[in-house]
Amino acid sequence: GAGVSQSPSNKVTEKGKDVELRCDPISGHTALYWYRQSLGQGLEFLIYFQGNSAPDKSGLPSDRFSAERTGGSVSTLTIQRTQQEDSAVYLCASSLGSSIGTQYFGPGTRLTVL
Amino acid sequence: AQTVTQSQPEMSVQEAETVTLSCTYDTSESDYYLFWYKQPPSRQMILVIRQEAYKQQNATENRFSVNFQKAAKSFSLKISDSQLGDAAMYFCALFIQGAQKLVFGQGTRLTINP
Repeated sequence: GAGVSQSPSNKVTEKGKDVELRCDPISGHTALYWYRQSLGQGLEFLIYFQGNSAPDKSGLPSDRFSAERTGGSVSTLTIQRTQQEDSAVYLCASSLGSSIGTQYFGPGTRLTVL
Repeated sequence: AQTVTQSQPEMSVQEAETVTLSCTYDTSESDYYLFWYKQPPSRQMILVIRQEAYKQQNATENRFSVNFQKAAKSFSLKISDSQLGDAAMYFCALFIQGAQKLVFGQGTRLTINP
C-alpha cells in the first residue's frame, strides 16, 4: 500500500476483555515497530520486528501484551485482560530496514478501556 | 540511556512569521539520527526532517530547516513563513544505530495565529 495502515481506528472495550490491533506496513519495508502514546507517558517504544529475526520485546509493559508478525508483513498487537491504564493511542511504524532510521507511521488506533 | 528533551510545551507564531522549536538530547553513541515529526489532530505522525549525526551540514526541507549543534547536543527546528497547516504537535526524536527504536521528546504544541 501507499502508507502504513492500522485497524481499527478506534476501539472501545471493557476492562478485562482482550483486544487485537492490526498494522499493515508499507510494502517492501522489513522493519516494523509498535509504539504507545499516552497522556502520562508520552510516546513509548513497545516492540520491534526485523524480517524473520526474533522480535525485540524490551518495551512491552507487561506479559498481557504480545505481538506477532505473519509472513514478514502484517502485525497484530494483542492486549489480554485490558486495564484502564492501557487506554492510549497505539502507533505502528515501518522502515526499509533496521539500520535506515527513518520510520513511517500509520494513523494509530485509539484504545479506550472502560 | 538516551533522552530527548523539548523544553517548550507550547509555542505560537503569527502566520507568515518564523518560529524555532527547541530540542536537546543525550547519548554517548556516535552513530545516530535525529528527526522532527509533526502530529496534527488527525493523529498521523508525519516526518518533517531528518539529520544524520555524521553530517555537519544542517538539513533543509523547503520551509523547514534545523540547527544541529552536535557538541551541544542540540537540534532545533526552524519553520519559515509559517502557514495555518503547520499547526500541530511537533516531536523531536533520536534513533541510535543498534538500538532500533525512536526515543521521543514530550512534544511542542505549535499554534499559528492568522
